[in-house]
Amino acid sequence: GAVVSQHPSRVICKSGTSVKIECRSLDFQATTMFWYRQFPKKSLMLMATSNEGSKATYEQGVEKDKFLINHASLTLSTLTVTSAHPEDSSFYICSARSLTGYEETQYFGPGTRLLVL
Amino acid sequence: GQQLNQSPQSMFIQEGEDVSMNCTSSSIFNTWLWYKQDPGEGPVLLIALYKAGELTSNGRLTAQFGITRKDSFLNISASIPSDVGIYFCAGQNTNAGKSTFGDGTTLTVKP
Repeated sequence: GAVVSQHPSRVICKSGTSVKIECRSLDFQATTMFWYRQFPKKSLMLMATSNEGSKATYEQGVEKDKFLINHASLTLSTLTVTSAHPEDSSFYICSARSLTGYEETQYFGPGTRLLVL
Repeated sequence: GQQLNQSPQSMFIQEGEDVSMNCTSSSIFNTWLWYKQDPGEGPVLLIALYKAGELTSNGRLTAQFGITRKDSFLNISASIPSDVGIYFCAGQNTNAGKSTFGDGTTLTVKP
């Protein structure tokens, strides 16, 4: 299957700082990427849809000024958690949309564990 | 919004046993996807289903796209310890590719 990478895999930061997470599709181009947040033993919660060359679409309840998304190329989307607070600590996972003809699939990155102290 | 009901929530089985889990929805989906997630990792795609009634296998895994397009099941035959993990179903029915995820089935396999 297609490969999606995320960097960093783990990050610890102080409260009030900003953290940037990168999501890359390594062997295919992705005009659409998705950002999820996952709490322990819970399902994936979609935060936003990242579209190459345009503004991201945020799900209800997700602060767009808090979670900045940039999708500057067909293989890279970034999520920046601004002024992070302990409640932002979570597992953040991105996925990239792969479209082949009429068949589409999402391939996930390995996730980024964020701990805000 | 759309919701998926995934069951069972958890399963404890003996190595060698077969496993079955399913997802149902009140809405129609055009695509069903099954993923496995290991602790601390991102979900890995197991099987993708694109046609109602489609039955697809991937090794010991078999999944079917329900004929009504509102359900799907995943079977694992002859389970082994490395099958342990959380299995998620996901349905898609928009051109934007947004998926709706089930709450997951946690599988434990006893050697």
